[in-house]
Amino acid sequence: NAGVTQTPKFRVLKTGQSMTLLCAQDMNHEYMYWYRQDPGMGLRLIHYSVGEGTTAKGEVPDGYNVSRLKKQNFLLGLESAAPSQTSVYFCASSSTSGSREQYFGPGTRLTVT
Amino acid sequence: AQSVTQLDSHVSVSEGTPVLLRCNYSSSYSPSLFWYVQHPNKGLQLLLKYTSAATLVKGINGFEAEFKKSETSFHLTKPSAHMSDAAEYFCVVRLYAGGTSYGKLTFGQGTILTVHP
Repeated sequence: NAGVTQTPKFRVLKTGQSMTLLCAQDMNHEYMYWYRQDPGMGLRLIHYSVGEGTTAKGEVPDGYNVSRLKKQNFLLGLESAAPSQTSVYFCASSSTSGSREQYFGPGTRLTVT
Repeated sequence: AQSVTQLDSHVSVSEGTPVLLRCNYSSSYSPSLFWYVQHPNKGLQLLLKYTSAATLVKGINGFEAEFKKSETSFHLTKPSAHMSDAAEYFCVVRLYAGGTSYGKLTFGQGTILTVHP
């Protein structure tokens, strides 16, 4: 049981390049989330999904797109990277019952130059 | 609207002394409250959660937190700090959301705990 995994762990992009971050969970959770973490700002929600084939915008969605083609995977895409997207990105998942606490992946450190 | 305020951005203690990390929240509805810990270059790990059952909640690694509705607080404590407790701690509130509603999480700014030998 690996929990939540993220690929890649580190990435450096040039401005204007594109990339996709992959998140996978093996807990059969319905809900999945993408956050970014910046110093002194806690975690901010980018996009989330309440089930396969559905996505919704969070607090800071601009410049990002997501897809949830399979229940266990949640992809975050940057079509044209900007230096302001330099951050650490975390994926999380949660169940639909109980306290719905979120389980986090180890993070992806992205630098855009 | 809901919000979370962690009252200290940094807390420094000596090993073996008590730890207190303070958190106040505001929420119009019955909240769920969580504390997460993040060790350097790691993801967030759930320490404990409050979901309207007992107001004193025990978590992992000897941590506990008390929900005080009258003070809108959810402070995290540990009787005796260990070097391995050095990390960043996040207080998080989730609005009650019935049915299959998502229930937005709001994160505090984080408190960095330093433990001195």
